[in-house]
Amino acid sequence: AQRVTQPEKLLSVFKGAPVELKCNYSYSGSPELFWYVQYSRQRLQLLLRHISRESIKGFTADLNKGETSFHLKKPFAQEEDSAMYYCALSNQGAQKLVFGQGTRLTINP
Amino acid sequence: ETGVTQSPTHLIKTRGQQVTLRCSSQSGHNTVSWYQQALGQGPQFIFQYYREEENGRGNFPPRFSGLQFPNYSSELNVNALELDDSALYLCASSQKRGSPGNTQYFGPGTRLTVL
Repeated sequence: AQRVTQPEKLLSVFKGAPVELKCNYSYSGSPELFWYVQYSRQRLQLLLRHISRESIKGFTADLNKGETSFHLKKPFAQEEDSAMYYCALSNQGAQKLVFGQGTRLTINP
Repeated sequence: ETGVTQSPTHLIKTRGQQVTLRCSSQSGHNTVSWYQQALGQGPQFIFQYYREEENGRGNFPPRFSGLQFPNYSSELNVNALELDDSALYLCASSQKRGSPGNTQYFGPGTRLTVL
């Protein structure tokens, strides 16, 4: 079965502190992994995907196939990072996205 | 480039009624996916349309149906509404089915409340 687990519903850190949002997945095969973000009063938007190996807004995520994880990290949190973050997977090219429950990240000043 | 749009923004219906939600895909996109997002949950895949044909369906009953039109816009229809259908309905469009790493672009959603 395809499943995405985000163990933390809420995460609160201070500005300037490191951030790590956890994501574990269950999938037989080679999935594509994504992080989507939803800022207050905005639509859901793609933050990054594992095949791009990019750093977006200072965030990175590494796919660890052995641990079936795709944790999102940022070394120094900023207040504008406060948002809802969703980890998602899909079949390669099939495009059906399976989302986790989401983690609400709050950056305290 | 025009983004994904959805209408209406909000909708209130009563149990047993039928509802139609609409989505216009982003320019150049030929694939539309629909998701249901209940309060406090992540979006759940309902179905996807590619070139006017259903291309995959999630675990939703047949009273959830859809259409895609030649201009790639799409409708989601829900019959015999139940209280549990209250949710945010998201539409996402993408450029090409089957393309690895293809990005889905989401609309703002339609908030459906069933009383």
